Amino acid sequence: GQSLEQPSEVTAVEGAIVQINCTYQTSGFYGLSWYQQHDGGAPTFLSYNALDGLEETGRFSSFLSRSDSYGYLLLQELQMKDSASYFCVATNKLIFGTGTLLAVQP
Amino acid sequence: EAGVTQSPTHLIKTRGQQATLRCSPISGHTSVYWYQQALGLGLQFLLWYDEGEERNRGNFPPRFSGRQFPNYSSELNVNALELEDSALYLCASSSLGSGESYEQYFGPGTRLTVT
Repeated sequence: GQSLEQPSEVTAVEGAIVQINCTYQTSGFYGLSWYQQHDGGAPTFLSYNALDGLEETGRFSSFLSRSDSYGYLLLQELQMKDSASYFCVATNKLIFGTGTLLAVQP
Repeated sequence: EAGVTQSPTHLIKTRGQQATLRCSPISGHTSVYWYQQALGLGLQFLLWYDEGEERNRGNFPPRFSGRQFPNYSSELNVNALELEDSALYLCASSSLGSGESYEQYFGPGTRLTVT
């Protein structure tokens, strides 16, 4: 079947850098998006990779390697407000990853 | 600009009943997507509507259905409700179809509880 796997939980401290990985098994793959969802809130779009390589958007960067069926979201200068769940998404397939709960500690 | 809106916020039904959830997309968006998010889990794709037609559906039984109206708002219907249908139902909209639009805008969701 088609799936996107992520670590279930990641913990980091304020000011640190954290990487959230996404490995996928899906065919007809267009690109990888990333969404953030705070507890009880709606998912919000963070980043998108249509091509291999790194995309940078402020404190957030996302990477894609099609040959390795792998991507990641990199969060720099972590803030307490970054505590949330993060999902990778195979865009054209509308398949969301399993989600990673990020806990940022002071 | 108003975001995606959904109604009702909460809905409580008993097993076997029908539930109707509504969604209004961002003005100018023609695609509407429905997702189910069970407590503590990820989002499962339900349905995609564009220009009034169903374009794709996820791996859900036929008792999950919906439609899109001429004004691009959408309705999700769940028939013969089961306890495991209890979840947050999220609606999202985008200006392009799923193959072209990587950015979806989500509504706040409808919390459906089946007792």
